[in-house]
Amino acid sequence: SAVISQKPSRDICQRGTSLTIQCQVDSQVTMMFWYRQQPGQSLTLIATANQGSEATYESGFVIDKFPISRPNLTFSTLTVSNMSPEDSSIYLCSARGGQTGELFFGEGSRLTVL
Amino acid sequence: GDSVTQMEGPVTLSEEAFLTINCTYTATGYPSLFWYVQYPGEGLQLLLKATKADDKGSNKGFEATYRKETTSFHLEKGSVQVSDSAVYFCALGMWNQGGKLIFGQGTELSVKP
Repeated sequence: SAVISQKPSRDICQRGTSLTIQCQVDSQVTMMFWYRQQPGQSLTLIATANQGSEATYESGFVIDKFPISRPNLTFSTLTVSNMSPEDSSIYLCSARGGQTGELFFGEGSRLTVL
Repeated sequence: GDSVTQMEGPVTLSEEAFLTINCTYTATGYPSLFWYVQYPGEGLQLLLKATKADDKGSNKGFEATYRKETTSFHLEKGSVQVSDSAVYFCALGMWNQGGKLIFGQGTELSVKP
């Protein structure tokens, strides 16, 4: 299994600012992903964080709004840029371990944009 | 495209009742299937999984069988407890798309004493 730590766990942000969320995994993993969970909703994949190269974004998400870094196999960051109240969500980092595709999740970063 | 559909909630049951949460999927290829649970105020946890047709995943009294013929992965428990109150997410994992998971909309379960 993998233990995933995210920080900050929560934050209140002002409109127009940007915030970077950090994700640290306690072991080397092949795949890392960033998800968004809007209030009362399911999880939506934002992007796959690729080690040493640009992230792969899902439809509806763009690099300018959600820049992602993954400098090594155990660490990734997600930045939410130029935030608006619609960005208020829980952002979850996940990592894939083992051969069955099981994803481990961090506890999430709850952002509130005023 | 690939997708997961769950029965809508909230589902409210009395303690010791039988639980079924329906989950069907659409996928090209041969996905793995998962149930995740999110307890109030906590992060997402894997509950059980199945990697091929006819596999049965089980954990904590919950079971789900991967049915390729009906493209389903229904979650069942014979006798629910108050502590099972949570949101349950069905998900499929696509190996031909880098192993990402596609989640259903979630089903909120509330168990009353």
